[in-house]
Amino acid sequence: DVKVTQSSRYLVKRTGEKVFLECVQDMDHENMFWYRQDPGLGLRLIYFSYDVKMKEKGDIPEGYSVSREKKERFSLILESASTNQTSMYLCASSFWRGNGNEQFFGPGTRLTVL
Amino acid sequence: SQQGEEDPQALSIQEGENATMNCSYKTSINNLQWYRQNSGRGLVHLILIRSNEREKHSGRLRVTLDTSKKSSSLLITASRAADTASYFCATETNAGKSTFGDGTTLTVKP
Repeated sequence: DVKVTQSSRYLVKRTGEKVFLECVQDMDHENMFWYRQDPGLGLRLIYFSYDVKMKEKGDIPEGYSVSREKKERFSLILESASTNQTSMYLCASSFWRGNGNEQFFGPGTRLTVL
Repeated sequence: SQQGEEDPQALSIQEGENATMNCSYKTSINNLQWYRQNSGRGLVHLILIRSNEREKHSGRLRVTLDTSKKSSSLLITASRAADTASYFCATETNAGKSTFGDGTTLTVKP
């Protein structure tokens, strides 16, 4: 079975701190994604990556950056955390098939910024 | 606004009844996918329907796609309490990027 793991289930940080969220997948997927999920707003794409060292902005990239140095690992970085970044963060990965890329999700990280 | 928008936002039914939820989208798509999310967990892929398909079945799930109306529906037949979850549609474009809707919260009462 495909497994996507995220470094923490729950995280509490202070305003202004630098925050790293790590995601690892074990199925050699080309694509990896970071979403945030907020009540009433569904899932919103922050960044995605279709290859090592490649990244593309999603719908809400402001305040975030990403890193993909190895194929299996995709990191989300909050350079200076703010309270409006309190959210559930979901990582996902998929093969690149051209049409029909089922995404496999991690369990999520619930981040609280105080 | 979201590419995929689910309707209704919330649905409550009795065990054994059928549940239907709808998804509308705005732009051309390669395919549309439905996912389930149990409370506080990650999403799980349920079914994918390509833009040249009109209907697809998987177990108790039936998905339809009407590209002329830019809409899709997910039907869960003979629902069970374990089907209680949030359901999301996701539309995928040529670039492999998926856009998720806000979801429908389904409650199945035993």
